[in-house]
Amino acid sequence: SYELTQPPSVSVSPGQTARITCSGDAFPKQHAFWYQQKPGQAPVMVIFKDSERPSGIPERFSGSSSGTTVMLTISGVQAEDEADYYCQSADSSDNSLVFGGGTKLTVL
Amino acid sequence: QLQLVQSGAEVKKPGASVKVSCKASGYTFRRYGLSWVRQAPGQGLEWMGWISADNGKTNYAQKFQGRVTMTTDTSTSTAYMEMRSLRSDDTAVYYCARAPINTTMIVVATLPDCWGQGTLVTVSS
Repeated sequence: SYELTQPPSVSVSPGQTARITCSGDAFPKQHAFWYQQKPGQAPVMVIFKDSERPSGIPERFSGSSSGTTVMLTISGVQAEDEADYYCQSADSSDNSLVFGGGTKLTVL
Repeated sequence: QLQLVQSGAEVKKPGASVKVSCKASGYTFRRYGLSWVRQAPGQGLEWMGWISADNGKTNYAQKFQGRVTMTTDTSTSTAYMEMRSLRSDDTAVYYCARAPINTTMIVVATLPDCWGQGTLVTVSS
């Protein structure tokens, strides 16, 4: 099945822009979904279908795609955004789902 | 409100089985599926499989086929995930999530996404 590759860590200062990439052969055929997970908590979806933002998710979260890479962008990062972020997509060859390895976002 | 409440932590010996429950409320259970996802300590998320709450159809990740059984009880709006032949590397937090009813896998959780609180399963001799 497909593999999704994310950088292990990204660090930014408050107010700056964080960009987290996710690369894999699943794209662009399949949609990307992004989840935020804070320590000790269940994941929460922050982007669906590459670039759509669920209700209740701040506007500073956005998603984009280009070829085999998708990106989660957090503009004007706040301390509360410090978390692990996971991309997720599908593998139509065996009807399975796959997560990227996760990226730890540190707000300096 | 939407809610999935999972059963409590378990400690099992290698070779044993474990059955985790996930009780749904706040929505029509049979209109959705359930995904199961696990997370080993300090590691990332791993999709285990999906079950339709409408007809019990399942779709397991290849890694877990033959060792995991997912079921539902529509009378109590509860989903179950049973894993057999436990090994130490099965030590993880296991999550259920409300999923689409479609049999074509696209996303782990359907919006508004609703996850259980997680169940820690520890496998140790």
